[in-house]
Amino acid sequence: DQQVKQNSPSLSVQEGRISILNCDYTNSMFDYFLWYKKYPAEGPTFLISISSIKDKNEDGRFTVFLNKSAKHLSLHIVPSQPGDSAVYFCAAILTGGGADGLTFGKGTHLIIQP
Amino acid sequence: DSGVTQTPKHLITATGQRVTLRCSPRSGDLSVYWYQQSLDQGLQFLIQYYNGEERAKGNILERFSAQQFPDLHSELNLSSLELGDSALYFCASSVGGSGTYNEQFFGPGTRLTVL
Repeated sequence: DQQVKQNSPSLSVQEGRISILNCDYTNSMFDYFLWYKKYPAEGPTFLISISSIKDKNEDGRFTVFLNKSAKHLSLHIVPSQPGDSAVYFCAAILTGGGADGLTFGKGTHLIIQP
Repeated sequence: DSGVTQTPKHLITATGQRVTLRCSPRSGDLSVYWYQQSLDQGLQFLIQYYNGEERAKGNILERFSAQQFPDLHSELNLSSLELGDSALYFCASSVGGSGTYNEQFFGPGTRLTVL
């Protein structure tokens, strides 16, 4: 049973426009959410996160929005740049106790068109 | 470079065999995590160790086992390999141990191919 779902396997966006990547989760116990970015032949790298007590977190061109009632989060990238082309993974966790295994979605491949 | 190293980069073996994947965490990190990325399942958490002790278990098969040694490096042992075990195996590390989330840094992965 997939507790974190990314329903779009791929997304193509023009350079300079906004990229919006979506993620849904089913486990209401999750209290911390993250986005990771992955280039080919490399491991995932942390991008941005949000606690369940917030509904928005911003870091430069990246903003994550959390809608707890809908169990939905989204990552906005604006403006999109060619270097943003990568696979983006949404992840969630129930914090506390030191057990930190992340539950990941299957990823969305973002392609930025010049 | 995340500071997490994994060896080997690539591994090709046959069904029924046993392999060992190795991970060295970032300096100072006490927690080590293993994840499996397969085509159909995405990235799945397998197991976490903290300072030599098993801390959490995810979707790890009984044919798989792991340990973390006193120098904090970790090994993931995969036995009785099946075709479906072909995947990318990632190790991650974090400071770990506290009640709040500690960022996990991922290694470059080991690509396992079972023929």
